[in-house]
Amino acid sequence: QTVVTQEPSFSVSPGGTVTLTCGLSSGSVSTRYYPSWYQQTPGQAPRTLIYNINIRSSGVPDRFSGSMLGNKAALTITGAQADDESDYYCVLYMGSGILFGGGTKLTVL
Amino acid sequence: EVQLVESGGGLVKPGGSLRLSCEVSGFSFSNAWMNWVRQAPGKGLEWVGLIKRKTDGGTTDYAAPVKGRFTISRDDSKNTLYLQMNSLKTEDTAVYYCTTFDSAAFQYWGQGTLVTVSS
Repeated sequence: QTVVTQEPSFSVSPGGTVTLTCGLSSGSVSTRYYPSWYQQTPGQAPRTLIYNINIRSSGVPDRFSGSMLGNKAALTITGAQADDESDYYCVLYMGSGILFGGGTKLTVL
Repeated sequence: EVQLVESGGGLVKPGGSLRLSCEVSGFSFSNAWMNWVRQAPGKGLEWVGLIKRKTDGGTTDYAAPVKGRFTISRDDSKNTLYLQMNSLKTEDTAVYYCTTFDSAAFQYWGQGTLVTVSS
């Protein structure tokens, strides 16, 4: 069974830069999986940040950017702010199904 | 303004059934692929299933844990998405979100409805 892997947790200082990654338990993340990224704070619905690797959703600040890094997809936050402290999920569209990563809990301190 | 409003959640016994609804507005529902995504308490997000628009065949796909028990349908005349859940298990306890799907990604999300499966 294919599993989408993410760092369980990450920490960044205010104003700092952090890169979260999204991989596969077997194989590489392909651009044809159209990786996307979502932010969720406790008790709230998820918010779409990035889709199709690097396209920002409407209203998403440009400090959030998506890319491919080697065999993984990546979400980079540049100039982290306190309200970026959230859970971040990546998603891969596998054609006949959709897979979520386990999420990364980002702490800003 | 795009709005997705889920309803129909509640408490149900193991083995029971429940139907969730998601009424949408602010976009062309009949042209949209739609999904259900769930989140168990304290856990991550999990894809449940999707339904394509009728012009793409209106077909459905489901995640393995719900295949054969859950059915997604749509009524384009009512701008409403449904999730029929049968043979419910305690592990189906979750907040269920409906979402739009475009450019191979979830775009708009509802606020979710809580389903609790417990005796």
